[in-house]
Amino acid sequence: KNEVEQSPQNLTAQEGEFITINCSYSVGISALHWLQQHPGGGIVSLFMLSSGKKKHGRLIATINIQEKHSSLHITASHPRDSAVYICAVLETSGSRLTFGEGTQLTVNP
Amino acid sequence: NAGVTQTPKFQVLKTGQSMTLQCAQDMNHNSMYWYRQDPGMGLRLIYYSASEGTTDKGEVPNGYNVSRLNKREFSLRLESAAPSQTSVYFCASSELMWGTGANVLTFGAGSRLTVL
Repeated sequence: KNEVEQSPQNLTAQEGEFITINCSYSVGISALHWLQQHPGGGIVSLFMLSSGKKKHGRLIATINIQEKHSSLHITASHPRDSAVYICAVLETSGSRLTFGEGTQLTVNP
Repeated sequence: NAGVTQTPKFQVLKTGQSMTLQCAQDMNHNSMYWYRQDPGMGLRLIYYSASEGTTDKGEVPNGYNVSRLNKREFSLRLESAAPSQTSVYFCASSELMWGTGANVLTFGAGSRLTVL
């Protein structure tokens, strides 16, 4: 069983839809990152969370430490949001950073 | 420009050849990582270094060695390349910012390696 699990693996939406990507983890963490990777592109950190909720433009990330669960929401989705979104956790046991398998998001016009 | 620099960006090797992927960061981060990314597999940790002078195995260390040369540099070596090591390799660095509790995470642009 993977220590970090994301769902769904693939997601197709129409422009304007509200999107949610989920991440569950089984280890103790000190931080959780949501990352974005465009096709053929590099990896960019969107959010770092250790508690609560963060908002940046149309993106909202939440984390529930007790339930070991985080969500990434995209409001009013746009085709340029099409990318792979990856959840990564920094374990409290050290500096080990573990990734989920990613969610491929496609937003159609 | 501040960030993580990986070299080379592309490399083609023959089976059995050796090579080293270089990674350097100029953000004074303590932790550095090497990952490989394969289609349908996500990012898998090869090795990481929590601080200068320390290295630890990740999920898929077989066939690789690493060196944390100093705080800035973390290299990944393939001693005898195999076709199964064809992948895109990413280096990353991170630092926990005491006081703010923020963990900064930065990736290199990736190195595409093909082993024939």
